[in-house]
Amino acid sequence: EAQVTQNPRYLITVTGKKLTVTCSQNMNHEYMSWYRQDPGLGLRQIYYSMNVEVTDKGDVPEGYKVSRKEKRNFPLILESPSPNQTSLYFCASSLSGATAGNTIYFGEGSWLTVV
Amino acid sequence: KQEVTQIPAALSVPEGENLVLNCSFTDSAIYNLQWFRQDPGKGLTSLLLIQSSQREQTSGRLNASLDKSSGRSTLYIAASQPGDSATYLCAVRPRGYSTLTFGKGTMLLVSP
Repeated sequence: EAQVTQNPRYLITVTGKKLTVTCSQNMNHEYMSWYRQDPGLGLRQIYYSMNVEVTDKGDVPEGYKVSRKEKRNFPLILESPSPNQTSLYFCASSLSGATAGNTIYFGEGSWLTVV
Repeated sequence: KQEVTQIPAALSVPEGENLVLNCSFTDSAIYNLQWFRQDPGKGLTSLLLIQSSQREQTSGRLNASLDKSSGRSTLYIAASQPGDSATYLCAVRPRGYSTLTFGKGTMLLVSP
């Protein structure tokens, strides 16, 4: 079954404690990205990756890091989380970032609370 | 910068009604427009993708249209059912970019 899998799904952490949200897809997709969803602000892109070792900033990259060492995985790293990073995070992937007809698939989301 | 607006923000209808959700975008230079459904606490499920060269796409009771020149898309849901209750999001992919710009969604409630 085609899937985008995120872990953890739910996490409460403290300010400053580094954390990583993992994302894995089993569709051999080249393009992967991270979004955060906040009430009243909608979905905003954090980072995206066109392929292995190619990453770029989205609309709200501050406070986040990513890496793309292999095609299937695209972890989101919060080096020093702060309360304003409390949000619902989504990982997404598609076959290619450069083709008009590709559907984007989303993970189930990761609820992150920073206290 | 591309902006996407969805109207209405919320909609409540009785079961069986046909309904239209609206999406507008400010820059017509897009690769595609995609409609998603989001259930509470869940991820997004893609419903329909319309490429910039297309005018509409259909899937079952859903029909999405695209008028690029006017910066508008509509999602038509025929014979609505309670199971259609969800938030519907539209997103555009601007030409030349690999990002998606989302609207804030329309929350739909279909009552039995």
